[in-house]
Amino acid sequence: GENVEQHPSTLSVQEGDSAVIKCTYSDSASNYFPWYKQELGKGPQLIIDIRSNVGEKKDQRIAVTLNKTAKHFSLHITETQPEDSAVYFCAATKAAGNKLTFGGGTRVLVKP
Amino acid sequence: GAVVSQHPSWVICKSGTSVKIECRSLDFQATTMFWYRQFPKQSLMLMATSNEGSKATYEQGVEKDKFLINHASLTLSTLTVTSAHPEDSSFYICSARISGRYGEQFFGPGTRLTVL
Repeated sequence: GENVEQHPSTLSVQEGDSAVIKCTYSDSASNYFPWYKQELGKGPQLIIDIRSNVGEKKDQRIAVTLNKTAKHFSLHITETQPEDSAVYFCAATKAAGNKLTFGGGTRVLVKP
Repeated sequence: GAVVSQHPSWVICKSGTSVKIECRSLDFQATTMFWYRQFPKQSLMLMATSNEGSKATYEQGVEKDKFLINHASLTLSTLTVTSAHPEDSSFYICSARISGRYGEQFFGPGTRLTVL
């Protein structure tokens, strides 16, 4: 089955700096890669996703890049703000299967 | 759009009792819903996939007789933890996939279960 590894497990950045989280996946058939933000005591919130026919996607301060050959994808947050502090999860799935395989999560702390 | 609700948001029960958690898609139809369990500072663990009108598919190691799932309509799935014990205490989260659209899952706010 699919295996997703996520790094780093914790990330501390100064407000205004950029944050980058990287994930690798094992199943070359995976073709949908979402990123979720989870705040304490809440459910995960979809913040951005990318499909395998696209190499990069951007939404304001958030961007995701995908390298299918290397089987890794990354989340980039620019101009970080204290409200970006949360746990971020990457995930991967195949279109037909629909089951998401999650990475281990990255705890991001943005220091004011 | 794509809002998923869960009820209750938290519940405390005595050991041996059963607890039902509801998951609703508020503004879309969801043929498929998923139930996850999350321990503190850990990732989400998929428990089962719930399909409307059919039996749920459980992940390996999840007891189907203990975690009963019913997906009776396109907007409602329920998870019943039967004969709950302290080790069942956890954060339970559901998600729903919009019918006809693959991949995207929208998560509920979660239910904190504490078994005394």
